[in-house]
Amino acid sequence: QKEVEQDPGPLSVPEGAIVSLNCTYSNSAFQYFMWYRQYSRKGPELLMYTYSSGNKEDGRFTAQVDKSSKYISLFIRDSQPSDSATYLCAMSDNAGKSTFGDGTTLTVKP
Amino acid sequence: DGGITQSPKYLFRKEGQNVTLSCEQNLNHDAMYWYRQDPGQGLRLIYYSQIVNDFQKGDIAEGYSVSREKKESFPLTVTSAQKNPTAFYLCASSRKGWDTQYFGPGTRLTVL
Repeated sequence: QKEVEQDPGPLSVPEGAIVSLNCTYSNSAFQYFMWYRQYSRKGPELLMYTYSSGNKEDGRFTAQVDKSSKYISLFIRDSQPSDSATYLCAMSDNAGKSTFGDGTTLTVKP
Repeated sequence: DGGITQSPKYLFRKEGQNVTLSCEQNLNHDAMYWYRQDPGQGLRLIYYSQIVNDFQKGDIAEGYSVSREKKESFPLTVTSAQKNPTAFYLCASSRKGWDTQYFGPGTRLTVL
């Protein structure tokens, strides 16, 4: 069983929709949680970084962490065609190696 | 203009040949990493280095080798011992070991 499981997708939504991307994990030692966005044939870019349970908002993006349920989510409000990409969750413990989910591919249709 | 550069963007090699992928950063980061990404899969750690002249194996180090002679450079050699080397290779760096990682643009290696 993988330490990090990510909803596989692919996900296709109309422009303006609210998108929910989700990951679960099994390692209680994970303390730091990241979301990366990766456009086709490019390197991932960091979107959100958080280390506590609760919500963290940055513009149209909200990262949610529930450590008791070992569940993290990324919400995208008012989705745009430019949000079309693969989204990767990642998490690490205090020792630090990062473990990545397999990614969810999102398409936002105009 | 700070960042991480990887070269070349596309690389082709014949089976049985070794090939070296370049990764350079001018962010003054201590730590550097190499990942492999296959279609529909996440990133798998090959090697990492938290300080110059030191590096450790990641989850899939077999068939790969690295060196870290300079802080800004972390080249990866894909040897002929790697059974399935065709993949997208990503280099990353972080300010210190296991801090937030920043990625380069990647090198797509195809073995013919």
